[in-house]
Amino acid sequence: SYVLTQPPSVSVAPGQTARITCGGNNIGSKSVHWYQQKPGQAPVLVVYDDSDRPSGIPERFSGSNSGNTATLTISRVEAGDEADYYCQVWDSSSELWVFGGGTKLTVL
Amino acid sequence: QVQLVESGGGVVQPGGSLRLSCAASGFTFSSYGMHWVRQAPGKGLEWVAFIRYDGSNKYYADSVKGRFTISRDNSKNTLYLQMNSLRAEDTAVYYCAHGGVREEYFDYWGQGTLVTVSS
Repeated sequence: SYVLTQPPSVSVAPGQTARITCGGNNIGSKSVHWYQQKPGQAPVLVVYDDSDRPSGIPERFSGSNSGNTATLTISRVEAGDEADYYCQVWDSSSELWVFGGGTKLTVL
Repeated sequence: QVQLVESGGGVVQPGGSLRLSCAASGFTFSSYGMHWVRQAPGKGLEWVAFIRYDGSNKYYADSVKGRFTISRDNSKNTLYLQMNSLRAEDTAVYYCAHGGVREEYFDYWGQGTLVTVSS
């Protein structure tokens, strides 16, 4: 089955830019979606279809996808962005929905 | 406003059964596919099952295939997950999620219900 690989953790200072990667075989040919999950809360969709934002999600959240890596970029990081972030794709070959292992974003 | 409210979680012995429910409101339930996603304590998200808007197609993760059954009652705006032959590794918070227009992602989530499989 299709595998998505994320770094376990990323740290960034407030006001800086955080980049969270999601690796997969030819992931650039798939649509990648990103979720934010804060402790004790349900996940929230922050980016869909590689780079689109749902209504209510700040423009500071953006995404890109090419080759074997998709990236979630959070600009001007705030303390409130500290959370776990998960990438996800739909694997058409197996007709299964797949999540990456998650990345804990720490705001220093 | 989309609302998804799960219920039915609890403590069950290994080998036992449990049925989860998800009450939906704020959208036309019968027009959208729905998912169950789970999260074991301290672990990441794992997709469990999907059902098409009319119940015509169902998909399952390999880890639950043959043991779990997803279903829906569009007249009651409710999604279900029947879980049989439960194992310790099924212990998790179970979320229901709205499948969105293209069914490829999860655009709304419930608050989750905890299932604990333990003797």
